Amino acid sequence: GAVVSQHPSRVICKSGTSVKIECRSLDFQATTMFWYRQFPKQSLMLMATSNEGSKATYEQGVEKDKFLINHASLTLSTLTVTSAHPEDSSFYICSARVLGTGHQPQHFGDGTRLSIL
Amino acid sequence: DAKTTQPTSMDCAEGRAANLPCNHSTISGNEYVYWYRQIHSQGPQYIIHGLKNNETNEMASLIITEDRKSSTLILPHATLRDTAVYYCIVRADNFNKFYFGSGTKLNVKP
Repeated sequence: GAVVSQHPSRVICKSGTSVKIECRSLDFQATTMFWYRQFPKQSLMLMATSNEGSKATYEQGVEKDKFLINHASLTLSTLTVTSAHPEDSSFYICSARVLGTGHQPQHFGDGTRLSIL
Repeated sequence: DAKTTQPTSMDCAEGRAANLPCNHSTISGNEYVYWYRQIHSQGPQYIIHGLKNNETNEMASLIITEDRKSSTLILPHATLRDTAVYYCIVRADNFNKFYFGSGTKLNVKP
């Protein structure tokens, strides 16, 4: 159980394009999902917390107008990288926590590798 | 910000126990310790978590010191497929966020 699916797994696009990444919890409901970014040979960096039915909260230094997050249902959050540039190339990973007790772990998707040419 | 420190890398012989330490000296009373691992180009995989008692599941054991300032993840019989970066994370029960540290690169060698 507790499977999180990300789509697409890899995307290559031209500079200036907007890219949407989907994160779905397949067998559980999640009021909260998280988005991370990981550059090569670095650790995961939390970008934002996605809350179902309300605005996302962003970590310091993350541009909310650049990284649009929508969490319209209990099983789907989307991250849109707007007007992507080569410096936005990275591995984007989402996670979700099972609705319920506070100490339940987050479950992660397999990530989306974004390459901007 | 990550509240944990881990060694950068460790080696372990295949079939032997891998003991991965983590320091979390500023941990608060309601904060849990979580362990994840990340195999190259994949999302992190949940391993185990605990508050103060030692925990065991089918993947690993988690030993938390009595003062809770450090913990050790034990993989009882490491295999080559256990080669990964292992992350120790501290998170409060009433807060959702995970802040990842640098983790430990475990190299399991034949």
